[in-house]
Amino acid sequence: GAGVSQSPSNKVTEKGKDVELRCDPISGHTALYWYRQSLGQGLEFLIYFQGNSAPDKSGLPSDRFSAERTGGSVSTLTIQRTQQEDSAVYLCASSLAVLGGSTDTQYFGPGTRLTVL
Amino acid sequence: AQKVTQAQTEISVVEKEDVTLDCVYETRDTTYYLFWYKQPPSGELVFLIRRNSFDEQNEISGRYSWNFQKSTSSFNFTITASQVVDSAVYFCAVSSGSARQLTFGSGTQLTVLP
Repeated sequence: GAGVSQSPSNKVTEKGKDVELRCDPISGHTALYWYRQSLGQGLEFLIYFQGNSAPDKSGLPSDRFSAERTGGSVSTLTIQRTQQEDSAVYLCASSLAVLGGSTDTQYFGPGTRLTVL
Repeated sequence: AQKVTQAQTEISVVEKEDVTLDCVYETRDTTYYLFWYKQPPSGELVFLIRRNSFDEQNEISGRYSWNFQKSTSSFNFTITASQVVDSAVYFCAVSSGSARQLTFGSGTQLTVLP
């Protein structure tokens, strides 16, 4: 597709349930990022994937959060045993990473609005 | 550690007025990148500009212009002759050479009244 896509656009779940959020990056983009946007915390980095390298998980708030990226493309963010404080918009971004370490521009998807009741 | 401060939480202007959104950043890296994103009511973050730390030349794109000043660690954004469609939340962000993720400011809600 032309841009980053995310699904579902909205997810309502009950406290304690597990949820999976999906991100499909721009074709050819090797770097993929997850961020979270909430009223209290603003925009926060969660995790970053670059090619076949080990992901940078430094932003994950707890061990209930995990993410994987299969085949260097689609990524899934999983939240186990959801809590009310997990309610937020989860944003995915991708970039055409340039070898040599220069940061490249991140393009964002429309987000998934997660509501934990 | 990196930090971005957008001191203006909300700004309201009347259409055709000029408006400047302030951004002050902090980073220990000598190589870093600065960004502005726009988030309209639809919610999607739209990339506006990227600037690297070794290029202080100001940039103009249509009604948008950016003023990068290393001496004051600022990267301000000006909209000339604002329009109602400019109403959105604007985020400033920084990324250093050692950390690819973006560190965002808290955003400025701009409302342009007709």
